[in-house]
Amino acid sequence: NAGVTQTPKFRILKIGQSMTLQCTQDMNHNYMYWYRQDPGMGLKLIYYSVGAGITDKGEVPNGYNVSRSTTEDFPLRLELAAPSQTSVYFCASSYPGANEQYFGPGTRLTVT
Amino acid sequence: GQQLNQSPQSMFIQEGEDVSMNCTSSSIFNTWLWYKQDPGEGPVLLIALYKAGELTSNGRLTAQFGITRKDSFLNISASIPSDVGIYFCAGHKSGNTPLVFGKGTRLSVIA
Repeated sequence: NAGVTQTPKFRILKIGQSMTLQCTQDMNHNYMYWYRQDPGMGLKLIYYSVGAGITDKGEVPNGYNVSRSTTEDFPLRLELAAPSQTSVYFCASSYPGANEQYFGPGTRLTVT
Repeated sequence: GQQLNQSPQSMFIQEGEDVSMNCTSSSIFNTWLWYKQDPGEGPVLLIALYKAGELTSNGRLTAQFGITRKDSFLNISASIPSDVGIYFCAGHKSGNTPLVFGKGTRLSVIA
């Protein structure tokens, strides 16, 4: 099992550009999550999904969109990148119940 | 949003020393989890605790689920250089509610 994979690993965007952060898991987990991690601030939940076709907002959803068309994939979309979205983004997955989440290696995004 | 208070924020210790860190909340959680994040990597689950009072070990790591269900503790014995990283606690209430994470304890080990 590859676990949770994320692409790209690094990206630099100009203000106003858009991009999609990809996340795939091969553990057949129903639940998937997107977090952002700012320096010294821990993990903040952006969006999560409890299954294909179902998504819900987390603590900091503004400026982001998600979709969940399959169990395996949970892409995160930034439509109009802003400097405040400079961060490291982590995708995670788990079995139902939201315990024991498994994290991907992260995408480091810089918006200038 | 809801937060877990994790302390200390950072610590510098000598190799071989024992380490203690804790996580507290104003509300009750039914599951406590401890993660470690190495530099440039995603968090990795170390220990999961499911019952109040539970004490669980994973090698040199020992974690406890507080009796009140509002706190948890992580101890690392005989620290080694590869223990360096950020340790996060996380709490889960029930059902579909997401995990709540602490801000992390940054551990540095001096050889």
